[in-house]
Amino acid sequence: NAGVTQTPKFQVLKTGQSMTLQCAQDMNHNSMYWYRQDPGMGLRLIYYSASEGTTDKGEVPNGYNVSRLNKREFSLRLESAAPSQTSVYFCASRRGGSGHNEQFFGPGTRLTVL
Amino acid sequence: QQPVQSPQAVILREGEDAVINCSSSKALYSVHWYRQKHGEAPVFLMILLKGGEQKGHEKISASFNEKKQQSSLYLTASQLSYSGTYFCGTEIQAGTALIFGKGTTLSVSS
Repeated sequence: NAGVTQTPKFQVLKTGQSMTLQCAQDMNHNSMYWYRQDPGMGLRLIYYSASEGTTDKGEVPNGYNVSRLNKREFSLRLESAAPSQTSVYFCASRRGGSGHNEQFFGPGTRLTVL
Repeated sequence: QQPVQSPQAVILREGEDAVINCSSSKALYSVHWYRQKHGEAPVFLMILLKGGEQKGHEKISASFNEKKQQSSLYLTASQLSYSGTYFCGTEIQAGTALIFGKGTTLSVSS
């Protein structure tokens, strides 16, 4: 089991460029999430998908779009990157529903926008 | 709304104890605790559910006060490996997304 995988690991963009961050999980989880992490701000939720076919905005969705391609894959797109989007991006997944179900994180993508 | 964690940072010697707190202004279904080492992804430690159920780490304990919507993480007899940033994540309803606090940085020295 690879768990949650993310590509790329590092990326440098110029202001105005677009890119898609890829995330996949092999745990048959229903729910998937995108967070960004900035110094002193903790992990902030960008978008999430509670189940295949649904997506919802989180705390900081502006400037991003997402696609739940299938049960395994959840991508994050920056249409026109801005320096304020320089951050570490984490994808995560959970089984979903009630009860004990911990969240598993991918290794992260370190994005710099110049 | 982000839960509030306190303190922001803790410095310990090996063997000392620490308590990290997490409070929410909303009624919670569950509280999750994660630890993150520098340059790595957060790793699961504990879940505390409304009603008292828990699941988690052998050497780390936690509590959840449902009346106050507060959780505390207890790190006893700390080891060097406990160093890192601790995050609480709160869930207001089963199946909703976790919202994380800003984190508490723990440094343990020998």
